Amino acid sequence: TQLLEQSPQFLSIQEGENLTVYCNSSSVFSSLQWYRQEPGEGPVLLVTVVTGGEVKKLKRLTFQFGDARKDSSLHITAAQTGDTGLYLCAGVAGGYNKLIFGAGTRLAVHP
Amino acid sequence: DAGVIQSPRHEVTEMGQEVTLRCKPISGHDYLFWYRQTMMRGLELLIYFNNNVPIDDSGMPEDRFSAKMPNASFSTLKIQPSEPRDSAVYFCASSLAPAGVATNEKLFFGSGTQLSVL
Repeated sequence: TQLLEQSPQFLSIQEGENLTVYCNSSSVFSSLQWYRQEPGEGPVLLVTVVTGGEVKKLKRLTFQFGDARKDSSLHITAAQTGDTGLYLCAGVAGGYNKLIFGAGTRLAVHP
Repeated sequence: DAGVIQSPRHEVTEMGQEVTLRCKPISGHDYLFWYRQTMMRGLELLIYFNNNVPIDDSGMPEDRFSAKMPNASFSTLKIQPSEPRDSAVYFCASSLAPAGVATNEKLFFGSGTQLSVL
């Protein structure tokens, strides 16, 4: 059982569409991070959210941390082919001192 | 700035053989992590070190796996004997502080070693 559940597992869309991917848990997290991983490479950090209800924007990407700090979402506006990749959420749950990753959402944006 | 450097990029071996994966973290980073990534299980933390000392190895699958960090600039992950179910991409990552615990602290990943055990 994954501590962090990500949905959907796979998403295939056309360029210009909007999308939202989710990261959920029954545990409370002190912070959550979102990474993007491209084929043949390691994950690269996009953002860290630390406050319940926090919203952060990175160009066309909007990240939200749930009020109870148990979930997070990533919304992409007007997706581009360059957004294609594996999106991973990761967090540190209470009582732990290490970063745990979800299984990821694999996004394919087609021209 | 050189990032985290892993070698080899690809390793193909036969069941029963010893495999050694290598990692050079970013200079000055006190934390080093070994992760394994598969389609079925995603990215799993195997072990991490702080100042060359193993802190948590609870993710190491079994005794066939061992990791060392003899100095601040080098770490190895060894599998002996290797089995087909060990086939995966193995990532090394480093950070200044425990990523996610310290606000905005992040992991820097290497490009991984694709291991195939036949």
